[in-house]
Amino acid sequence: ETGVTQSPTHLIKTRGQQVTLRCSSQSGHNTVSWYQQALGQGPQFIFQYYREEENGRGNFPPRFSGLQFPNYSSELNVNALELDDSALYLCASSSGTTFFQSSEAFFGQGTRLTVV
Amino acid sequence: KNEVEQSPQNLTAQEGEFITINCSYSVGISALHWLQQHPGGGIVSLFMLSSGKKKHGRLIATINIQEKHSSLHITASHPRDSAVYICAVSIGGGADGLTFGKGTHLIIQP
Repeated sequence: ETGVTQSPTHLIKTRGQQVTLRCSSQSGHNTVSWYQQALGQGPQFIFQYYREEENGRGNFPPRFSGLQFPNYSSELNVNALELDDSALYLCASSSGTTFFQSSEAFFGQGTRLTVV
Repeated sequence: KNEVEQSPQNLTAQEGEFITINCSYSVGISALHWLQQHPGGGIVSLFMLSSGKKKHGRLIATINIQEKHSSLHITASHPRDSAVYICAVSIGGGADGLTFGKGTHLIIQP
């Protein structure tokens, strides 16, 4: 039990649609980051938020956007879904400003998104 | 070339064997994480290292900053250790999240 909860666990969407994935972190975990993991690959960094501000972004297009809320929950929004967006989406949280200041990263179970 | 390379990609061993998984990285890092991922996706953090060695139960992780190399060892391996083990690093100030290796798929046979 990591204390990080993601919803939904599985989701099927149609190409062109929009999707919102949610993550609930532990109280006091001010940093949350989101990752995309394609089948058989390691996770790829999408973006990171610290106290509701985006403070880091990977090589993903603007149709991937996010929000972080004061209650330690966050969202990943993906617009204009493409078939290649099918993947496991993971969120991870930690205390501190950025991960290197934290003793540990806590991951959710992930949301498996299938785009058809 | 990936910034984080793991070896081996796949490893099958017998119960009780000593297991070593290696991770090499090509950039300066702030910290290195060893993670465990079970089927279904959930990831559990095993260790975070910035220097030296850490031990937790049957798991040992070491890092050599000068050689840009880390190892994860499992002593007295057990079938429940079967999982994907992932090495991930924080580069620079950490605002770029974690950079992951592709993982090592470990199977421990009874």
